[in-house]
Amino acid sequence: QSVLTQPPSVSGAPGQRVTISCTGSSSNIGAGYDVHWFQQLPGTAPKLLIYGNSNRPSGVPDRFSGSKSGTSASLAITGLQAEDEADYYCQSYDSRLSAWVFGGGTKLTVL
Amino acid sequence: EVQLVESGGGLVQPGGSLRLSCAASGFTFSSYEMNWVRQAPGKGLEWVSYISGSGTTIYYADSVKGRFTISRDNAKNSLNLQMNSLRAEDTAVYYCATKVAGTSHFHHWGQGTLVTVSS
Repeated sequence: QSVLTQPPSVSGAPGQRVTISCTGSSSNIGAGYDVHWFQQLPGTAPKLLIYGNSNRPSGVPDRFSGSKSGTSASLAITGLQAEDEADYYCQSYDSRLSAWVFGGGTKLTVL
Repeated sequence: EVQLVESGGGLVQPGGSLRLSCAASGFTFSSYEMNWVRQAPGKGLEWVSYISGSGTTIYYADSVKGRFTISRDNAKNSLNLQMNSLRAEDTAVYYCATKVAGTSHFHHWGQGTLVTVSS
């Protein structure tokens, strides 16, 4: 059971917009800790996609965006492309556990 | 270009030990906090351990506390993880990852090294 809750899977057709939610609690997201997002393509290491709730590292397309509100955060992907098919993880810090924590991951399927 | 290359993984029996290493290049190693993050086969990501740039501050996940020891050698640009009393549930790909002080995200990741604990 992950501290941060994500849907196991989402799907969308090419060109569509999809969102992935990440729900936490008062000891992590709700406590004001930043949320970050990672993309993991099959057989590869995770790659930082969004940091500090809504910032993109250089090289990440602006089709990817992040937001945070209350005890939840969301990753939005617009103009869906086949190459976006991957696992996506949210991450934050939990003060009760004194640990960096991840969501369980969401598998994105491009139909 | 930042490069992180893990090594030392392999097959080990339950109760055994293994030492992982992460060779860093392309950045000022001592200026970055370092972490180990693992991923069990077909499962999600789990933070394992943290070490500050100077090596003076160290944290562990409860699941490995007392069994794993993180260390770094800034002169050699290397990060290590000594894993003792290994259990089947420690089977995972282990990644080293950088973190900038004052932030909470893991920025650059290595390609990972697989540790399999089995008899």
